[in-house]
Amino acid sequence: EVQLVESGGGLVQPGRSLRLSCTASGFTFGDYAMSWVRQAPGKGLEWVGFIRSKAYGGTTEYAASVKGRFTISRDDSKSIAYLQMNSLKTEDTAVYYCSRFNMIAGYWYSDLWGRGTLVTVSS
Amino acid sequence: DIQMTQSPSTLSASVGDRVTITCRASQSISSWLAWYQQKPGKAPKLLIYKASSLESGVPSRFSGSGSGTEFTLTISSLQPDDFATYYCQQYNSYFTFGGGTKVEIK
Repeated sequence: EVQLVESGGGLVQPGRSLRLSCTASGFTFGDYAMSWVRQAPGKGLEWVGFIRSKAYGGTTEYAASVKGRFTISRDDSKSIAYLQMNSLKTEDTAVYYCSRFNMIAGYWYSDLWGRGTLVTVSS
Repeated sequence: DIQMTQSPSTLSASVGDRVTITCRASQSISSWLAWYQQKPGKAPKLLIYKASSLESGVPSRFSGSGSGTEFTLTISSLQPDDFATYYCQQYNSYFTFGGGTKVEIK
């Protein structure tokens, strides 16, 4: 079955760190860019960042709200994408989704999503 | 940054109704727009990509149109499974979502 499963969420104090994982199955993980999107409680969707496949350099891009604090990486041998979150703020509280990026003519869109993992930043 | 404005924010409709949701971009995004459906507690689901291309497995009652800055998602005959929140997303320049449209039972 083609799926993505996020893990690693939980309660963390402001200023601390947390690492989320996104485990893929059912497709060739290394062929795809992977993205993270978050949704604060009762709010809409906010793109966090993405990592290109190795074929496109494996480089990353981030939203301004998390740049310098969050880092996305990938382990193609394990089919896992990671979101390392440092210096967490209360406003980072959200459900974090990973998604697979499909590409048309150099433009990426999310065609497969995980069910998300909740991160709560609170003292 | 490209801003995406969806309207309406809430829509009350009955089974069988034709429903239209609008999404407006703050600048031209060509046809680089996707539509997603989200139900409470669930992951978003891709419905439409490249403004009007129907994702595999999505019922044909869903359709998308538009280019440049104005886009619409249409559900031709609303079904019970369609009550959900719908988001547009531009992917012309990074990624921005609209604020969402909640489709409620009238």
